[in-house]
Amino acid sequence: QKEVEQNSGPLSVPEGAIASLNCTYSDRGSQSFFWYRQYSGKSPELIMFIYSNGDKEDGRFTAQLNKASQYVSLLIRDSQPSDSATYLCAVKISSGSARQLTFGSGTQLTVLP
Amino acid sequence: KAGVTQTPRYLIKTRGQQVTLSCSPISGHRSVSWYQQTPGQGLQFLFEYFSETQRNKGNFPGRFSGRQFSNSRSEMNVSTLELGDSALYLCASSELAGGFTDTQYFGPGTRLTVL
Repeated sequence: QKEVEQNSGPLSVPEGAIASLNCTYSDRGSQSFFWYRQYSGKSPELIMFIYSNGDKEDGRFTAQLNKASQYVSLLIRDSQPSDSATYLCAVKISSGSARQLTFGSGTQLTVLP
Repeated sequence: KAGVTQTPRYLIKTRGQQVTLSCSPISGHRSVSWYQQTPGQGLQFLFEYFSETQRNKGNFPGRFSGRQFSNSRSEMNVSTLELGDSALYLCASSELAGGFTDTQYFGPGTRLTVL
């Protein structure tokens, strides 16, 4: 079982719709969770992070965390064609003194105009 | 603040050669992490440096090594290149190292092609 799993997609949504991206993780000791966006040929850019159960909103983006169920999600409201990218979920896994970021394989999102 | 910079941006090498990649973190950031990204394996952690010390290492062979200088700039080296080393190598910096809210910011990457 992979430590961080994402549906690879592709996920297609129409412009203006809500895109929902999901991520599950295996380590119950994980403390913080990050969403990155990566355009084709570019490096990942941070969208937001969350470390408390519940919702965290930043503009059109909302991250949701449920530690009991070991999942984290990202909602993109009013999706735009410019949101078309691969979305990477990253989990900071604690193992002794090591707290490295472990990435999922990413979900490719296409927003159709 | 200027972002993370990486040099060179593109590199073509042949099998058996060695290569050195450079990363300059965001000013004030003391932690530098390196990742390898390939279409098949995704983003994989190579190693992390903080205050010139390697704090964490991923599951890569010893051909992959790195170091960090006193100004927090970091280099990674790959010796005896193999075709499978062709990848995008990403450097990420963060202010601290290991704190659970510590956030990593990525550089543009170095695209390495091994022929």
